[in-house]
Amino acid sequence: ETGVTQTPRHLVMGMTNKKSLKCEQHLGHNAMYWYKQSAKKPLELMFVYSLEERVENNSVPSRFSPECPNSSHLFLHLHTLQPEDSALYLCASSQPGQQNTEAFFGQGTRLTVV
Amino acid sequence: GNSVTQMEGPVTLSEEAFLTINCTYTATGYPSLFWYVQYPGEGLQLLLKATKADDKGSNKGFEATYRKETTSFHLEKGSVQVSDSAVYFCALSDLMEYGNKLVFGAGTILRVKS
Repeated sequence: ETGVTQTPRHLVMGMTNKKSLKCEQHLGHNAMYWYKQSAKKPLELMFVYSLEERVENNSVPSRFSPECPNSSHLFLHLHTLQPEDSALYLCASSQPGQQNTEAFFGQGTRLTVV
Repeated sequence: GNSVTQMEGPVTLSEEAFLTINCTYTATGYPSLFWYVQYPGEGLQLLLKATKADDKGSNKGFEATYRKETTSFHLEKGSVQVSDSAVYFCALSDLMEYGNKLVFGAGTILRVKS
């Protein structure tokens, strides 16, 4: 039990579908993150939320739309995706005010776009 | 900006062999350093960390020492097992306006054969 739960674990969607990924943390952390992990590529930081405010958006296409309604929940809304968006999407949380803080990761959602 | 460089893999070893995975970093200030491990089909888990120069992080037989003079944080294990097969990520904490975030290396695949 990592304290960070992602649902669903697996998702297959067509290019015209709309779906959402969900992340929930019960660690009392103030920051939450979305990462994309593609085959043979480094881990890509997509979005950072701190105290429910988006503080980083690393040139992510608009077909990915994050939402952070409160400090415990983070969503990634998906629409009109492309096959190259197929990847493992990882959510993480941390308490960013501390220098030595680590991030806690969920198990990820394996997304396949067909 | 801060960055992390890891040795490229995959690294293939026989059971009970000695493991070293090199990691060097570029940073301003004195970041904390981390090693994460990702087992097949899972998210990232913290393996060990070190928060200041000359600190040694250790866990499950793995060790890494924070070397400020060589800006390195190499991961070592004296005798690897098949169950250690995974992807290993080196990371550092990067101070942002909103707090700290983690910067990851590209990851090194480790395969241990029986």
